Amino acid sequence: KAGVTQTPRYLIKTRGQQVTLSCSPISGHRSVSWYQQTPGQGLQFLFEYFSETQRNKGNFPGRFSGRQFSNSRSEMNVSTLELGDSALYLCASNRAGGRDTGELFFGEGSRLTVL
Amino acid sequence: AQKVTQAQTEISVVEKEDVTLDCVYETRDTTYYLFWYKQPPSGELVFLIRRNSFDEQNEISGRYSWNFQKSTSSFNFTITASQVVDSAVYFCALSYYGQNFVFGPGTRLSVLP
Repeated sequence: KAGVTQTPRYLIKTRGQQVTLSCSPISGHRSVSWYQQTPGQGLQFLFEYFSETQRNKGNFPGRFSGRQFSNSRSEMNVSTLELGDSALYLCASNRAGGRDTGELFFGEGSRLTVL
Repeated sequence: AQKVTQAQTEISVVEKEDVTLDCVYETRDTTYYLFWYKQPPSGELVFLIRRNSFDEQNEISGRYSWNFQKSTSSFNFTITASQVVDSAVYFCALSYYGQNFVFGPGTRLSVLP
């Protein structure tokens, strides 16, 4: 069973640019979550999508956005990049749907460096 | 509000020592789930265990064991006879009804040969 796949694994951008990160969840998983991980702030929740709808959102500015497609694949976009956006962006999928919280399965992350 | 605290930022032990990683959580919900994840240098978080709030039984899996105590809102993780391969950052997390997870700040464990 293939795991969560994130692309690209590494990327370098300059301030003001935008970036799009992609995530393919485990087959059959309908929930996809995104997290930002930095040394100073730890793991911070960005948003969660379930059946193409944003179900939860963390406390990030509007420059951070995402979407989910009908095949459950998800993308997140960061516009007008700032130096502080340099981080490891982790995607996780979950078989969720009902009251039972399944565990999150994480990808290896996309490491973004903003210069 | 939900919160997870891992007071130990970094721990160093010598191989074969036992080590306990502490996790204290806060929630007003009566039904919730607790998790432990391991993040090796490669970056991917690896699921270790899930426990729901109604199951306070301790669990042992090989060299790993978990102690869940609702009375103290703690879910501690012990590695027995640690090995160098156990070196990683360990995260405790809390969730309820499939909603977004709240992660603790992590504990970096270094196991020295």
